[in-house]
Amino acid sequence: GQQVQQSPASLVLQEGENAELQCNFSTSLNSMQWFYQRPGGSLVSLFYNPSGTKHSGRLTSTTVIKERRSSLHISSSQTTDSGTYLCALERGGADRLTFGKGTQLIIQP
Amino acid sequence: EAAVTQSPRNKVTVTGGNVTLSCRQTNSHNYMYWYRQDTGHGLRLIHYSYGAGNLQIGDVPDGYKATRTTQEDFFLLLELASPSQTSLYFCASSDAGGTQYFGPGTRLLVL
Repeated sequence: GQQVQQSPASLVLQEGENAELQCNFSTSLNSMQWFYQRPGGSLVSLFYNPSGTKHSGRLTSTTVIKERRSSLHISSSQTTDSGTYLCALERGGADRLTFGKGTQLIIQP
Repeated sequence: EAAVTQSPRNKVTVTGGNVTLSCRQTNSHNYMYWYRQDTGHGLRLIHYSYGAGNLQIGDVPDGYKATRTTQEDFFLLLELASPSQTSLYFCASSDAGGTQYFGPGTRLLVL
């Protein structure tokens, strides 16, 4: 079965609303990484978060290992936040990532 | 900031054609990766490398070869391209257990 599951698959919000994206995993975790993929295709690293909570501006990532989940919270969303958000799991003992299928986020003005 | 570049950015070839995708990173990372991205599948790992001369098989290696000639350069080879290899290809680099930095991607169309 799929080792990394992201939800929701797509999310449409109005500008100013908060977004909550989820990533659930079924294997042991070495690290969890979150990426943003621009509509043009390029990927940008957002967080490297093996456990706990990390903040970067309006973004917050929380990884809870024993619950096998990681979340990405975007506060006060802006139209420029639109794009695809990917989580990726680095399994214990491996030097490679397994990606979820992504959440497509659309922020309407 | 890690710099990863890919060439070409777009490529069109015919079935049976020979294609080489190039990737260069200038941050002295040991690890380099090749992924493909397709609708409904997300990013899938094709091949990766721990350093010059090293090659590791990823999750979807069939139909692909790769070669790591230097620490900076990692190549993906499609020797008999098929339409099923039409995809968006990404290269990435990282230190061991660290954040992966991605190149801009190469769009490949196999007719």
